[in-house]
Amino acid sequence: QKEVEQDPGPLSVPEGAIVSLNCTYSNSAFQYFMWYRQYSRKGPELLMYTYSSGNKEDGRFTAQVDKSSKYISLFIRDSQPSDSATYLCAIQGAQKLVFGQGTRLTINP
Amino acid sequence: EPEVTQTPSHQVTQMGQEVILRCVPISNHLYFYWYRQILGQKVEFLVSFYNNEISEKSEIFDDQFSVERPDGSNFTLKIRSTKLEDSAMYFCASSRLAGAANTGELFFGEGSRLTVL
Repeated sequence: QKEVEQDPGPLSVPEGAIVSLNCTYSNSAFQYFMWYRQYSRKGPELLMYTYSSGNKEDGRFTAQVDKSSKYISLFIRDSQPSDSATYLCAIQGAQKLVFGQGTRLTINP
Repeated sequence: EPEVTQTPSHQVTQMGQEVILRCVPISNHLYFYWYRQILGQKVEFLVSFYNNEISEKSEIFDDQFSVERPDGSNFTLKIRSTKLEDSAMYFCASSRLAGAANTGELFFGEGSRLTVL
């Protein structure tokens, strides 16, 4: 079983839509969960992190972790064309990040 | 804003040749990493480095790979004898903290694309 699984998409939605991106993970020992955003030809940049279960909100972005089902989500409200990117979920191990495949998201004006 | 810089941005090499990819991490960071991303695949961990030692490495990081911090600013990844399957984007990253104390905030460079022919 893969450590982190993420639907690679692509996902295309109209501007203003609510976007839901999801990952599942296998190791219940993980405590830190991150979302990275990667624009074309750039390195990943940290968008949000969450510790343990619960929600975390930052502007239009909400990260959610459900440890009972090993499921992590990122919601984007009022999506903008500038949100078009690949979104990578990641789990924090001791000395490394374990990434999901990444979901390519396009917001259409 | 401080950033991680990587050179070269693209390198083309022949199979069997040695390649050195260079990185300048953010100046007050203590932990350094190399990740790679084969086209269309996941970003994969290669190695982490702290206090002039490898602190963790993946099974990808075999004897063909080595890392070095030759001076106070550079962090290099050497591939001794490149194979076709080494073709990938290689990302350098750095962080101030690591492990459980780290919120996962690794700062990534823009990557070095390696093409092995």
